[in-house]
Parts: sequence; C-alpha cells; structure tokens
Amino acid sequence: EVQLVESGGGLVQPGGSLRLSCAASGFTFSNYNMHWVRQAPGKGLEWVSYISSSSTTISYADSVKGRFTISRDNAKNSLYLQMNSLRDEDTAVYYCARGIGYWGQGTLVTVSS
Amino acid sequence: EIVLTQSPGTLSLSPGERATLSCRASQSVTSSYLAWYQQKPGQAPRLLIYDASSRATGIPDRFSGSGSGTDFTLTISRLEPEDFAVYYCQQYGRSPFTFGQGTKMEIK
Repeated sequence: EVQLVESGGGLVQPGGSLRLSCAASGFTFSNYNMHWVRQAPGKGLEWVSYISSSSTTISYADSVKGRFTISRDNAKNSLYLQMNSLRDEDTAVYYCARGIGYWGQGTLVTVSS
Repeated sequence: EIVLTQSPGTLSLSPGERATLSCRASQSVTSSYLAWYQQKPGQAPRLLIYDASSRATGIPDRFSGSGSGTDFTLTISRLEPEDFAVYYCQQYGRSPFTFGQGTKMEIK
C-alpha cells in the first residue's frame, strides 16, 4: 500500500525556517517524481514544488522561488522541503504527492508572531 | 503560466441529478495532462480523473472526464450523497503545475 507521511510542521515566526519531510513507503520511491502542494486555511490548492525521480529537474512556484528548496534522498525513501524566510502567507497545510495520484495527509505550517 | 478557471464557483444540486463542472485553461494543456480531484473537509484531495478522461483506480463510473486543448469537463451522472465536496482541476503538462480555484458542490 502506498503511504506518504509528512512531518516537520509547526508554529514559526515570520522570517524563520522550517524543514518538512515526507516518508514514503509501499512503492519504489526512486522511480517516481514528487511534488509539494499546499492549502491555506479555507482556500484552494496551490502547487509549490516539483522534483524528478533522480533530482535532475526541479521547479518552484513563483511565490516560493528563492526561499524554498526541494530535495530528496532515494536511499532513505524521503522527500524534503526546506522553507526559509517564511511569511504569514506561507501558513498552510503542506502535502507531499507522488505524481498526481497519491497524497499524504499533510502537515500544518503556521507562520505567526 | 497556465491559468485554470473553474465554473461555476458553487453548484447547488440534489442527489440523483447530473453535475457538469467546467475547467478552462488560458493556454492549451500539453497532451491533455489534466486531472480532476475531489476534496472533502479535513481530507487530502483524491484523484478522480487523469489525462482528461481516464478514471483513477476505484473511482465509480458515474464520474467521467472529457475535453482537450483549453476546455475540460467533469461530469457526475447521478449524484450520490457522498459526492458533495469541492472539486479541483490541475494541469500537469507544464510547470508551474497549476490548479483551478475549485468548484464547491452543495446539496440543494
């Protein structure tokens, strides 16, 4: 069974940093492209970042470019999102997703003073 | 960036009725790489349709997708009580992999 479990969310002050992790199981992680998608409270879905299976292709939404860094460790079956210079508007549930078909349950990031 | 515009914003229907949801793209979607998701409160999105018209595993056949280029449609042939939720389209042909703003389906 495919499982994606996000962790690392929490409360952080504006300007702070946070690192999200996504632990994958039930499939060959190194074969799949991965995404981070977020959803602000009461709002719609916003695609955040993409990384190809071998990390050769990476892309970001303009809203996070230069502040967020996506990475993966295929040996550890893990996906990461390093978030720096956090802003109030980054407050959201962050989901990791395998391609388009499988999503984790999300981890809440709250940016507030 | 491809902007996806969903309509209507809210759809009020009764169980048993037919629902038609629209997703219009600002540019042609590469290879019809268009997906539809259903999301219920407190849950992650669930994939319904991929490649514009292919049903995902385990999705009932009352859900169908159609369209190409810039105009796409999700149709639910006969609404069941569990279908009342928010629906999103997403294009995954070209980065940034944008979502529509969503259509909320509510019980009339």
